[in-house]
Amino acid sequence: ILNVEQSPQSLHVQEGDSTNFTCSFPSSNFYALHWYRWETAKSPEALFVMTLNGDEKKKGRISATLNTKEGYSYLYIKGSQPEDSATYLCALDRGSTLGRLYFGRGTQLTVWP
Amino acid sequence: SAVISQKPSRDICQRGTSLTIQCQVDSQVTMMFWYRQQPGQSLTLIATANQGSEATYESGFVIDKFPISRPNLTFSTLTVSNMSPEDSSIYLCSVGRGSTDTQYFGPGTRLTVL
Repeated sequence: ILNVEQSPQSLHVQEGDSTNFTCSFPSSNFYALHWYRWETAKSPEALFVMTLNGDEKKKGRISATLNTKEGYSYLYIKGSQPEDSATYLCALDRGSTLGRLYFGRGTQLTVWP
Repeated sequence: SAVISQKPSRDICQRGTSLTIQCQVDSQVTMMFWYRQQPGQSLTLIATANQGSEATYESGFVIDKFPISRPNLTFSTLTVSNMSPEDSSIYLCSVGRGSTDTQYFGPGTRLTVL
């Protein structure tokens, strides 16, 4: 069993607040780390695919960092908006089997106007 | 990117019955993947489906319970057989473009078994 842990499980913030979540994973056999945004009844939306230790990626108000040596990634949202409300998933890709991702349980974000 | 559709989007079924979920992709892909998310749990890979060959199942999943068809390069079905309430989950199909490329997902089928 491969444990990918996400914290917190849920988060409630006010509009305009900045927030961050954590994804921790086993650092051995690392290939890539995927972040997704998942709204109910919609397809999970790919945010980032991170492959390099120390990598930092940004998409609008959302950014992510990666530390493969210690096995964690942070996702940051600057100036949260109600439309950011969703479940954010991280998934470990070990590269051994194409398409096989190990997901965390997600962080459910609610942004109040 | 890939656009993936699934049918049905949701269903409520009686125990002991079977449900077939369809997955359609807007482009030809070699491999398609089926995942499920049980309530409160993480997304978990059920099986990998290649066109023209039998699906490869992950540990804990068997063909008799989750038969898969892959008749062509844009379509696949997953059947949940002899359902029990423990099968209540969201089932998603997925395609990828290589290990470091994005993995795309369908919108899911939300199944409730009574």
